[in-house]
Amino acid sequence: DQQVKQNSPSLSVQEGRISILNCDYTNSMFDYFLWYKKYPAEGPTFLISISSIKDKNEDGRFTVFLNKSAKHLSLHIVPSQPGDSAVYFCAASDWGTGTASKLTFGTGTRLQVTL
Amino acid sequence: DGGITQSPKYLFRKEGQNVTLSCEQNLNHDAMYWYRQDPGQGLRLIYYSQIVNDFQKGDIAEGYSVSREKKESFPLTVTSAQKNPTAFYLCASSYEGSGGYTFGSGTRLTVV
Repeated sequence: DQQVKQNSPSLSVQEGRISILNCDYTNSMFDYFLWYKKYPAEGPTFLISISSIKDKNEDGRFTVFLNKSAKHLSLHIVPSQPGDSAVYFCAASDWGTGTASKLTFGTGTRLQVTL
Repeated sequence: DGGITQSPKYLFRKEGQNVTLSCEQNLNHDAMYWYRQDPGQGLRLIYYSQIVNDFQKGDIAEGYSVSREKKESFPLTVTSAQKNPTAFYLCASSYEGSGGYTFGSGTRLTVV
């Protein structure tokens, strides 16, 4: 049972335009969400996160939006740059329960930013 | 510099052999994790440990074993019972109760 889903395995965007990556979750206990970026043969690196008490978090070119009622979050990258080309993983945890911060990851979306 | 180190980067194993993947961190993190990445399946949790001498099975623990004798170290053994061991293995660590992980650079295991 995939509790965190990224239904788009790939996305191609022109340089300078907006990239929107989507993520859906099914577990209503999830209260903390993260996005990681991964290059081939490397470990993922943390990009941005959001707590369930917020509906938006912004960091430079990256903004994450959370819609709790729809159990949906999205990552916006604007403007997109060629260096943003990577696989992006959405992750979620039930951090608020005080238990282990075990993350559940989605299957990833490969973003390609073209010139 | 603090970080998390996985070794080796590439590993080849013959069928029927056990192999141990190393993961060391000097971040003073309490919790450590092992994930496996396969094409189209994202990251799946194998084992995790919140404190020394304690660990729990993740979603795909069959055919794997771990130990946590030191806070800094969380080695993963891929046993001959693992039916499809060829994959990219990622180790991560975090402060207990914190939201995010620091990942190592991964070990690619290939069974030949």
